Amino acid sequence: ELQLVESGGGLVQPGGSLKLSCVTSGFTFRDYWMSWVRQAPGKTMEWIGDIKPDGSNTNYAPSMKNGFTISRDNAKSILFLQMSNVRSDYTATYYCVRDYGGYLDAWGQGASVTVSS
Amino acid sequence: DIVMTQSPSSLAVSAGETVTINCKSSQSLLSSGNQKNYLAWYQQKPGQSPKLLIYLASTRESGVPDRFIGSGSGTDFTLTITSVQAEDLADYYCQQHYNYPLTFGSGTKLEIK
Repeated sequence: ELQLVESGGGLVQPGGSLKLSCVTSGFTFRDYWMSWVRQAPGKTMEWIGDIKPDGSNTNYAPSMKNGFTISRDNAKSILFLQMSNVRSDYTATYYCVRDYGGYLDAWGQGASVTVSS
Repeated sequence: DIVMTQSPSSLAVSAGETVTINCKSSQSLLSSGNQKNYLAWYQQKPGQSPKLLIYLASTRESGVPDRFIGSGSGTDFTLTITSVQAEDLADYYCQQHYNYPLTFGSGTKLEIK
């Protein structure tokens, strides 16, 4: 069974950092592009960026470039999202997503991040 | 960035009726190379993660009921749900996968009367 399980969410102060992890199983992780998508409460989805199967290249939405870093560990089938210098508008549910040619065919359950002092 | 505009923002229908959700992109999603439209539709039920319904404008994801129909080309797309069922209560989003950054529509909330 295909699974993507995010962890590492929680409460973080403005200006702080947080690293999310996504443990995957049920598919050959190293063969797929992977994305992170966030959804603020009551809002639509925002694509943050993606990472090539071998980890050699990443793409980010222009508005996300300065606050996020995506990486992966293919040996452990884990995707990461490093968030830095967070702001209140980073409050959202963050989804780990399998990216198949730009459409997103498998989603994790999401990790909730709240930025507040 | 390609801007995706969805309408309506919400609608309420009775079970058994047919629903149409519209999505318009700020530029064409049609590839001249392969004549494919790079548009996807997702369903997000309350408290759940989004689920892929349709990709390449009209290709149904495996396991998606055939009452979900995607159509359109260029800049104008439609998700049609025939014979709506109570379980179709959800938010629906379109997303372009033509180029970076991937962008989503604002969503359509479907309520069942």
